[in-house]
Amino acid sequence: QVHLVQSGAEVKKPGSSAKVSCTASGGTFKNYAFSWVRQAPGQGLDWMGGVIPMFGTTKYAQKFQGRVTITADESTSTAYMELSSLRSEDTAVYYCARAPPKYHYDSSVYYSSSAFDMWGQGTMLTVSA
Amino acid sequence: SYVLTQPPSVSVAPGQTARITCGGNSIGSKAVHWYQQRPGQAPVLVVYDDSDRPSGIPERFSGSNSGNTATLTISRVEAGDEADYYCQVWDLSSDHRVFGGGTKLTVL
Repeated sequence: QVHLVQSGAEVKKPGSSAKVSCTASGGTFKNYAFSWVRQAPGQGLDWMGGVIPMFGTTKYAQKFQGRVTITADESTSTAYMELSSLRSEDTAVYYCARAPPKYHYDSSVYYSSSAFDMWGQGTMLTVSA
Repeated sequence: SYVLTQPPSVSVAPGQTARITCGGNSIGSKAVHWYQQRPGQAPVLVVYDDSDRPSGIPERFSGSNSGNTATLTISRVEAGDEADYYCQVWDLSSDHRVFGGGTKLTVL
């Protein structure tokens, strides 16, 4: 059974950085795309960006561009999300989510319109002085 | 940027049918996915690609998508269906994934 296991809760000071990990246990890592989604207290889901380990490519939401870095380590089946210049508004639960591949008629693979079929348990990040 | 609009709340009595809408410009041309999020838990995929169900999701959950509105339909609603529901698409123009604002389903 595949699970996405995230690192534990963190408390950070404003202006610092935080790095959250997401490890895929029990299954294939390379064939999937991984995104990070955050949820501020009492708010909805907000896509931050994602990585496709097979292609080594990343995409970031405009809102977080310049502050977020998403990486993947195939050797440990782990995706990472680092957020810098933290402010109080970054206090939220951060989720990793997995998207399976889709295939064009010519068998080429793409991930863009895939659903998130598996989610991590979430990591609470608190930014406070 | 592409905007998805959901009603903030929907209420329904047990055993009745709940319909949760997701509005967006020409959303019918996009693949729509729906997630259920119970309080304190991570989201769970309940419908993908407009109307397909992942394994383990009851047949009571169904989806449709046409024109400017996608709809998640939950038949024979149970108390355990009470949760927040989010629609999501991929926006070609920005190459971003986009979520709707979420709808709180209350079972009366």
